[in-house]
Amino acid sequence: KAGVTQTPRYLIKTRGQQVTLSCSPISGHRSVSWYQQTPGQGLQFLFEYFSETQRNKGNFPGRFSGRQFSNSRSEMNVSTLELGDSALYLCASSPALAKNIQYFGAGTRLSVL
Amino acid sequence: DAKTTQPPSMDCAEGRAANLPCNHSTISGNEYVYWYRQIHSQGPQYIIHGLKNNETNEMASLIITEDRKSSTLILPHATLRDTAVYYCIVRPVSGNTPLVFGKGTRLSVIA
Repeated sequence: KAGVTQTPRYLIKTRGQQVTLSCSPISGHRSVSWYQQTPGQGLQFLFEYFSETQRNKGNFPGRFSGRQFSNSRSEMNVSTLELGDSALYLCASSPALAKNIQYFGAGTRLSVL
Repeated sequence: DAKTTQPPSMDCAEGRAANLPCNHSTISGNEYVYWYRQIHSQGPQYIIHGLKNNETNEMASLIITEDRKSSTLILPHATLRDTAVYYCIVRPVSGNTPLVFGKGTRLSVIA
């Protein structure tokens, strides 16, 4: 069974631009969560989607948004990029009923210059 | 904020057991203890979870104290590939609660 796939693996943007990151969950998984990892703040929860609906959101500004499609694939978007948005963005998927075990992708490393 | 406390770093000799402690003194009755690890430049990997009984799988064993205020993750025969940051997380088994990661323990397995 293929794991969680995130694309692209690496991305370089400049301040003020916007970026879209993609996540394909494990087949059959309906929940997708996004996390941001930085050296200073560690791993922080961004949002979670289940059956195309956002059902949880972390404490991030409105520049961070996401969506989920009917095939459970998810995208997250960051608009008006800031230097502090440089981070590893991780996606995790989970089956509907599996004791909340999340399976993570390798992440997308975003560098904002 | 994370509800767990872990030592920032630990060393372990290759082939020996690695015992990683975690304190979760404010754990609630419906909360499980989950362990994940993150090898450098990879996403976190689920290891094991438990409520109050000791648990074992192919990767590790989890020992939870009777009062559930602390636990220990045991890697029985550590290898160099077990070098990683290990996160102990307390979370309800059901519902929509996201994972809250603390700083974890950086385990270095030494040859």
